[in-house]
Amino acid sequence: DTAVSQTPKYLVTQMGNDKSIKCEQNLGHDTMYWYKQDSKKFLKIMFSYNNKELIINETVPNRFSPKSPDKAHLNLHINSLELGDSAVYFCASSQGIQGSNEKLFFGSGTQLSVL
Amino acid sequence: RKEVEQDPGPFNVPEGATVAFNCTYSNSASQSFFWYRQDCRKEPKLLMSVYSSGNEDGRFTAQLNRASQYISLLIRDSKLSDSATYLCVPSRGGYQKVTFGIGTKLQVIP
Repeated sequence: DTAVSQTPKYLVTQMGNDKSIKCEQNLGHDTMYWYKQDSKKFLKIMFSYNNKELIINETVPNRFSPKSPDKAHLNLHINSLELGDSAVYFCASSQGIQGSNEKLFFGSGTQLSVL
Repeated sequence: RKEVEQDPGPFNVPEGATVAFNCTYSNSASQSFFWYRQDCRKEPKLLMSVYSSGNEDGRFTAQLNRASQYISLLIRDSKLSDSATYLCVPSRGGYQKVTFGIGTKLQVIP
């Protein structure tokens, strides 16, 4: 069983569309994250949820809206997609709060291409 | 000074060689450190955790120098399968977000 699974693996879409990426973890972890890795390979945190509550919200356009229906799921919805949104998006989870010396477990990534 | 700095490489080393990477961090409040490995087009995976002066796991050794604010990763007897990007992550604890370094790319050649 995959510990952190995200779908879809590839997402190709037109500018202006709205899309969602889903993430689920079966590790029983309390905290989930969304990271973005751009073409320069920088891995940047976007959001972090602990037990369904938002705890980290980096400077991300409000076109990006995370939703956590329960602590095992953290979905990412993106409105009005732009060319600059093209990147690989990684979901991750940890037992506690990442900053508290916790190890991260990543999903396999979603390659988003906006045309 | 950037929060985390790593030499992006690439480091091209022959099989069997010993290679070391350094990672410097700017926040002296960092409490623990992690090395992640990321293969091309894959997700990062935890390689080692460093909570005190260092850690060793088989061919991999991580050393922490708090005075100079750097951690190093030493790989002995390099294998072709060690080819990857190695990401350094210092952690400050609590609700602090952590910052990933850009990573050091290692290419082990036959």
